[in-house]
Amino acid sequence: DAKTTQPNSMESNEEEPVHLPCNHSTISGTDYIHWYRQLPSQGPEYVIHGLTSNVNNRMASLAIAEDRKSSTLILHRATLRDAAVYYCIPYQGAQKLVFGQGTRLTINP
Amino acid sequence: DAMVIQNPRYQVTQFGKPVTLSCSQTLNHNVMYWYQQKSSQAPKLLFHYYDKDFNNEADTPDNFQSRRPNTSFCFLDIRSPGLGDAAMYLCATSRDYGDYEQYFGPGTRLTVT
Repeated sequence: DAKTTQPNSMESNEEEPVHLPCNHSTISGTDYIHWYRQLPSQGPEYVIHGLTSNVNNRMASLAIAEDRKSSTLILHRATLRDAAVYYCIPYQGAQKLVFGQGTRLTINP
Repeated sequence: DAMVIQNPRYQVTQFGKPVTLSCSQTLNHNVMYWYQQKSSQAPKLLFHYYDKDFNNEADTPDNFQSRRPNTSFCFLDIRSPGLGDAAMYLCATSRDYGDYEQYFGPGTRLTVT
């Protein structure tokens, strides 16, 4: 399994952009990079995923480095509801997600 | 519209008393997963089913078993719960293996007294 490194915690203000980094230097060429988040007292929920190109959806954007050793999840305008633990997961496309410790994001009003 | 439903949301059991947690899905997905999440830790996969094919993670204790009687339902049985089994148990589904999103239920928080 590819190893990931994420900051333990980050803090931002409401309505400001948030950039959540992830290092995955051992990622293989065919691993997608998935991001999930877990709000307090809830199960994880899918946020976004990508392979090489930057990706956008209604929740976030994903910027993937050209060498694929790192990626950044971008929340364009954070709300209080975005406070959660964010997990970056290189997905081997086999059978399972392997969750690391993630980044706990705090949003200040 | 709930897609992955877990019952109960909170379960209290006694040390050594068997307990069953249930999960149902309305997505008609082929794959169902059970994860264990202890306090302040990340979710950890216990096992998963592709249809009725069962796949056990190597480090899942023998105390944990699972049943999937049909596409919609999956059960987690803990034969003799210990204090260390207190955790949030998460059920998830995905359409298939490979690059598919997993949908998680809200979890069942198990307390062992």
